[in-house]
Amino acid sequence: EDQVTQSPEALRLQEGESSSLNCSYTVSGLRGLFWYRQDPGKGPEFLFTLYSAGEEKEKERLKATLTKKESFLHITAPKPEDSATYLCAVQGLLTGGGNKLTFGTGTQLKVEL
Amino acid sequence: NAGVTQTPKFQVLKTGQSMTLQCAQDMNHNSMYWYRQDPGMGLRLIYYSASEGTTDKGEVPNGYNVSRLNKREFSLRLESAAPSQTSVYFCASSEGTGVYQPQHFGDGTRLSIL
Repeated sequence: EDQVTQSPEALRLQEGESSSLNCSYTVSGLRGLFWYRQDPGKGPEFLFTLYSAGEEKEKERLKATLTKKESFLHITAPKPEDSATYLCAVQGLLTGGGNKLTFGTGTQLKVEL
Repeated sequence: NAGVTQTPKFQVLKTGQSMTLQCAQDMNHNSMYWYRQDPGMGLRLIYYSASEGTTDKGEVPNGYNVSRLNKREFSLRLESAAPSQTSVYFCASSEGTGVYQPQHFGDGTRLSIL
């Protein structure tokens, strides 16, 4: 059974204070690892897909990296508008068809002025 | 662009009542999904439809039924609502079921069952 654990559960940063969010996973062969952003009262918004260890992807102040056991979402010089819950999900080789994803419970990020 | 549209946005039901949650996408996607999101738990897949005319169970299908009405629309039905089904329900769609085709979500239906 695929498992995803995200840490910390909540993170409070000052504007400009860089940090990283962690996503640890256990999967029967990784097909892909996904990062989503979720604002209060909204649905998850797709950010990145990572497919193999060593891969990195960037979007504005966000950079996602992947190892064989975990992924990090690095936030550089965050702004208040980066405040959201960040979700990690995996798709394993043995999860069957249908693009089934296993989600973590998310990290709630608050960036203050 | 509307993307994935869910209706209603909020609903309160009494135990035993039935309800259909509606979802429509305008991205010409082949695959559609229904999830529920509960506090302290990750999004969990209820049912999915890999393509028009097919549906399959996800992780938590008990108490739910689905209908893929056409390529655009995928509905979720609660036949006899129970308090344990109080949750936020999200519909998602993707071009296909490949890992290179990420899922895109609607803004959810918040459902309370008394």
